[in-house]
Amino acid sequence: EVQLVESGGGLVKPGGSLRLSCAASGFTFNNAAMSWVRQAPGKGLEWVGRIKVNTDGGTVEYAAPVKGRFTISRDDSKTTLYLQMNNLKTEDTAVYFCTTYSGYNVDWGQGTLVTVSS
Amino acid sequence: DIVMTQSPDSLAVSLGERATINCKSSQSVLYSSNNKNYLAWYQQKPGQPPNLVINWASTRESGVPDRFSGSGSGTDFTLTISSLQAEDVAVYYCQQFYTTPVTFGGGTKVEIK
Repeated sequence: EVQLVESGGGLVKPGGSLRLSCAASGFTFNNAAMSWVRQAPGKGLEWVGRIKVNTDGGTVEYAAPVKGRFTISRDDSKTTLYLQMNNLKTEDTAVYFCTTYSGYNVDWGQGTLVTVSS
Repeated sequence: DIVMTQSPDSLAVSLGERATINCKSSQSVLYSSNNKNYLAWYQQKPGQPPNLVINWASTRESGVPDRFSGSGSGTDFTLTISSLQAEDVAVYYCQQFYTTPVTFGGGTKVEIK
Protein backbone atom coordinates (compact mmCIF):
# COMPACT_ATOMS: atom_id res chain seq x y z
CA GLU A 1 0.00 0.00 0.00
CA VAL A 2 1.33 3.41 -0.99
CA GLN A 3 1.88 5.72 1.96
CA LEU A 4 2.90 9.35 1.80
CA VAL A 5 3.33 11.12 5.13
CA GLU A 6 4.06 14.83 5.19
CA SER A 7 5.61 16.63 8.13
CA GLY A 8 7.24 19.93 8.99
CA GLY A 9 4.31 22.30 8.75
CA GLY A 10 3.59 24.97 11.31
CA LEU A 11 3.35 28.67 12.02
CA VAL A 12 6.04 30.92 10.55
CA LYS A 13 6.38 34.68 10.20
CA PRO A 14 6.44 36.40 6.82
CA GLY A 15 9.93 36.25 5.39
CA GLY A 16 10.70 33.07 7.30
CA SER A 17 11.62 29.60 6.11
CA LEU A 18 10.29 26.10 6.57
CA ARG A 19 11.21 22.69 5.23
CA LEU A 20 8.54 20.11 4.58
CA SER A 21 9.27 16.40 4.30
CA CYS A 22 7.28 13.59 2.76
CA ALA A 23 8.17 10.05 3.80
CA ALA A 24 7.18 7.57 1.11
CA SER A 25 6.66 3.82 1.31
CA GLY A 26 4.85 1.02 -0.47
CA PHE A 27 6.28 1.70 -3.92
CA THR A 28 9.63 2.05 -5.66
CA PHE A 29 10.35 5.66 -4.76
CA ASN A 30 13.40 6.08 -7.00
CA ASN A 31 11.24 5.19 -10.02
CA ALA A 32 8.53 7.74 -9.22
CA ALA A 33 8.26 11.37 -10.20
CA MET A 34 6.81 13.36 -7.32
CA SER A 35 5.06 16.65 -6.84
CA TRP A 36 3.71 19.10 -4.28
CA VAL A 37 0.20 20.52 -4.50
CA ARG A 38 -1.20 23.06 -2.06
CA GLN A 39 -4.63 24.19 -0.99
CA ALA A 40 -5.26 27.48 0.77
CA PRO A 41 -7.99 27.34 3.45
CA GLY A 42 -11.38 27.01 1.79
CA LYS A 43 -9.86 27.33 -1.69
CA GLY A 44 -9.00 25.12 -4.62
CA LEU A 45 -5.94 23.11 -5.58
CA GLU A 46 -2.71 24.71 -6.78
CA TRP A 47 0.24 22.83 -8.26
CA VAL A 48 3.51 23.87 -6.63
CA GLY A 49 5.99 21.87 -8.67
CA ARG A 50 7.37 18.48 -9.54
CA ILE A 51 10.64 16.55 -9.60
CA LYS A 52 11.51 13.84 -12.06
CA VAL A 53 13.36 10.64 -11.22
CA ASN A 54 17.14 10.88 -11.08
CA THR A 55 17.55 8.55 -14.04
CA ASP A 56 15.52 11.10 -16.02
CA GLY A 57 17.73 13.95 -14.91
CA GLY A 58 15.94 14.70 -11.66
CA THR A 59 14.79 17.96 -13.17
CA VAL A 60 12.45 20.22 -11.26
CA GLU A 61 9.75 22.60 -12.41
CA TYR A 62 7.91 25.16 -10.30
CA ALA A 63 4.76 27.20 -10.47
CA ALA A 64 5.40 30.90 -11.06
CA PRO A 65 4.24 32.08 -7.58
CA VAL A 66 6.91 29.99 -5.83
CA LYS A 67 9.75 29.98 -8.35
CA GLY A 68 12.94 31.35 -6.83
CA ARG A 69 11.65 30.91 -3.26
CA PHE A 70 10.83 27.18 -3.05
CA THR A 71 13.12 24.22 -3.76
CA ILE A 72 11.95 20.66 -4.32
CA SER A 73 14.45 17.86 -3.73
CA ARG A 74 14.50 14.16 -3.09
CA ASP A 75 16.64 11.66 -1.22
CA ASP A 76 16.07 8.28 -2.80
CA SER A 77 18.16 6.53 -0.12
CA LYS A 78 15.66 7.79 2.49
CA THR A 79 12.62 7.56 0.17
CA THR A 80 11.82 11.13 1.15
CA LEU A 81 10.67 14.17 -0.78
CA TYR A 82 11.39 17.68 0.46
CA LEU A 83 10.05 21.16 -0.04
CA GLN A 84 12.30 23.96 1.17
CA MET A 85 10.30 27.16 1.44
CA ASN A 86 12.11 30.49 1.86
CA ASN A 87 10.91 34.08 2.03
CA LEU A 88 7.43 32.90 2.90
CA LYS A 89 4.47 35.16 2.25
CA THR A 90 1.03 35.23 3.83
CA GLU A 91 -0.39 33.92 0.56
CA ASP A 92 1.65 30.73 0.98
CA THR A 93 -0.66 29.74 3.84
CA ALA A 94 -2.09 26.37 2.78
CA VAL A 95 -2.20 22.65 3.32
CA TYR A 96 0.69 21.17 1.35
CA PHE A 97 0.15 17.74 -0.18
CA CYS A 98 2.86 15.41 -1.41
CA THR A 99 1.79 13.31 -4.41
CA THR A 100 3.09 10.78 -6.88
CA TYR A 101 3.19 12.34 -10.31
CA SER A 102 2.42 10.95 -13.72
CA GLY A 103 1.19 14.28 -15.01
CA TYR A 104 -1.90 13.48 -13.01
CA ASN A 105 -1.61 12.69 -9.29
CA VAL A 106 -2.59 9.20 -8.21
CA ASP A 107 -1.43 8.96 -4.60
CA TRP A 108 -1.71 11.79 -2.06
CA GLY A 109 -0.58 12.27 1.49
CA GLN A 110 -2.89 13.72 4.13
CA GLY A 111 -1.15 17.06 3.92
CA THR A 112 0.59 19.37 6.35
CA LEU A 113 -0.63 22.86 7.22
CA VAL A 114 1.67 25.84 6.77
CA THR A 115 0.48 29.12 8.27
CA VAL A 116 2.36 32.30 7.45
CA SER A 117 1.34 35.06 9.81
CA SER A 118 2.88 37.75 11.98
CA ASP B 1 -0.63 28.84 -18.67
CA ILE B 2 -3.71 26.81 -19.54
CA VAL B 3 -6.73 28.12 -17.65
CA MET B 4 -9.32 25.55 -16.56
CA THR B 5 -12.86 26.82 -16.04
CA GLN B 6 -15.44 24.67 -14.32
CA SER B 7 -19.19 25.11 -14.24
CA PRO B 8 -21.31 25.30 -12.25
CA ASP B 9 -19.59 26.36 -9.03
CA SER B 10 -22.08 24.20 -7.14
CA LEU B 11 -25.06 22.01 -7.80
CA ALA B 12 -27.67 20.21 -5.74
CA VAL B 13 -29.04 16.96 -7.10
CA SER B 14 -31.59 14.54 -5.68
CA LEU B 15 -30.42 11.08 -4.67
CA GLY B 16 -30.48 8.78 -7.68
CA GLU B 17 -30.49 11.64 -10.17
CA ARG B 18 -27.77 12.63 -12.62
CA ALA B 19 -25.08 15.19 -11.81
CA THR B 20 -23.13 16.84 -14.62
CA ILE B 21 -20.02 18.97 -14.20
CA ASN B 22 -18.37 20.84 -17.05
CA CYS B 23 -14.75 21.81 -17.54
CA LYS B 24 -13.32 23.98 -20.28
CA SER B 25 -9.65 24.53 -21.03
CA SER B 26 -8.27 27.72 -22.57
CA GLN B 27 -6.42 25.64 -25.15
CA SER B 28 -6.66 22.09 -26.40
CA VAL B 29 -5.27 19.37 -24.13
CA LEU B 30 -5.50 16.74 -26.87
CA TYR B 31 -2.07 15.48 -27.87
CA SER B 32 -2.34 14.63 -31.56
CA SER B 33 0.51 12.10 -31.67
CA ASN B 34 -1.29 9.67 -29.35
CA ASN B 35 -4.85 11.03 -29.57
CA LYS B 36 -5.06 11.32 -25.77
CA ASN B 37 -6.66 14.09 -23.79
CA TYR B 38 -4.43 15.09 -20.85
CA LEU B 39 -7.34 15.72 -18.50
CA ALA B 40 -8.07 14.28 -15.06
CA TRP B 41 -10.90 14.56 -12.53
CA TYR B 42 -10.56 14.45 -8.75
CA GLN B 43 -13.06 14.08 -5.91
CA GLN B 44 -12.31 15.76 -2.59
CA LYS B 45 -14.38 15.12 0.52
CA PRO B 46 -14.14 17.43 3.54
CA GLY B 47 -10.94 16.99 5.52
CA GLN B 48 -9.48 14.54 3.01
CA PRO B 49 -6.92 14.80 0.22
CA PRO B 50 -8.22 14.66 -3.35
CA ASN B 51 -8.87 11.26 -4.90
CA LEU B 52 -8.22 10.61 -8.59
CA VAL B 53 -11.46 9.51 -10.24
CA ILE B 54 -10.83 9.78 -13.98
CA ASN B 55 -7.67 10.19 -16.07
CA TRP B 56 -7.11 10.60 -19.80
CA ALA B 57 -10.54 12.31 -19.81
CA SER B 58 -12.52 9.08 -19.71
CA THR B 59 -10.56 6.28 -17.96
CA ARG B 60 -11.99 5.41 -14.57
CA GLU B 61 -9.45 4.69 -11.84
CA SER B 62 -9.48 1.26 -10.25
CA GLY B 63 -12.16 1.02 -7.57
CA VAL B 64 -14.18 3.98 -8.80
CA PRO B 65 -17.87 3.09 -9.20
CA ASP B 66 -19.12 2.88 -12.77
CA ARG B 67 -21.71 5.58 -12.10
CA PHE B 68 -18.79 7.99 -12.66
CA SER B 69 -17.92 8.70 -16.28
CA GLY B 70 -15.84 11.25 -18.12
CA SER B 71 -16.26 12.51 -21.65
CA GLY B 72 -15.15 15.22 -24.01
CA SER B 73 -12.13 16.10 -26.12
CA GLY B 74 -9.97 19.05 -27.01
CA THR B 75 -11.17 21.87 -24.79
CA ASP B 76 -14.55 20.74 -23.45
CA PHE B 77 -15.02 17.99 -20.90
CA THR B 78 -17.73 16.58 -18.67
CA LEU B 79 -17.82 14.50 -15.52
CA THR B 80 -21.13 12.70 -15.05
CA ILE B 81 -22.41 10.91 -11.98
CA SER B 82 -25.26 8.88 -13.40
CA SER B 83 -27.12 8.19 -10.15
CA LEU B 84 -26.00 10.35 -7.25
CA GLN B 85 -25.35 8.59 -3.96
CA ALA B 86 -24.92 10.17 -0.54
CA GLU B 87 -21.22 9.28 -0.51
CA ASP B 88 -20.65 11.30 -3.70
CA VAL B 89 -21.11 14.61 -1.85
CA ALA B 90 -17.77 16.32 -2.44
CA VAL B 91 -15.95 18.98 -4.42
CA TYR B 92 -14.83 17.87 -7.86
CA TYR B 93 -11.84 19.33 -9.71
CA CYS B 94 -10.65 18.96 -13.27
CA GLN B 95 -6.94 19.18 -14.04
CA GLN B 96 -4.93 19.47 -17.24
CA PHE B 97 -1.56 17.77 -17.38
CA TYR B 98 -0.89 18.52 -21.05
CA THR B 99 1.79 20.98 -20.09
CA THR B 100 3.40 22.48 -17.03
CA PRO B 101 2.40 24.27 -15.01
CA VAL B 102 -0.28 21.70 -14.35
CA THR B 103 -3.48 23.62 -13.65
CA PHE B 104 -6.75 22.84 -11.90
CA GLY B 105 -10.26 24.11 -12.33
CA GLY B 106 -11.81 26.06 -9.49
CA GLY B 107 -13.92 23.14 -8.29
CA THR B 108 -17.60 22.22 -8.29
CA LYS B 109 -19.37 21.44 -5.03
CA VAL B 110 -21.93 18.64 -5.33
CA GLU B 111 -24.66 18.42 -2.69
CA ILE B 112 -27.86 16.52 -2.12
CA LYS B 113 -31.09 18.34 -2.88
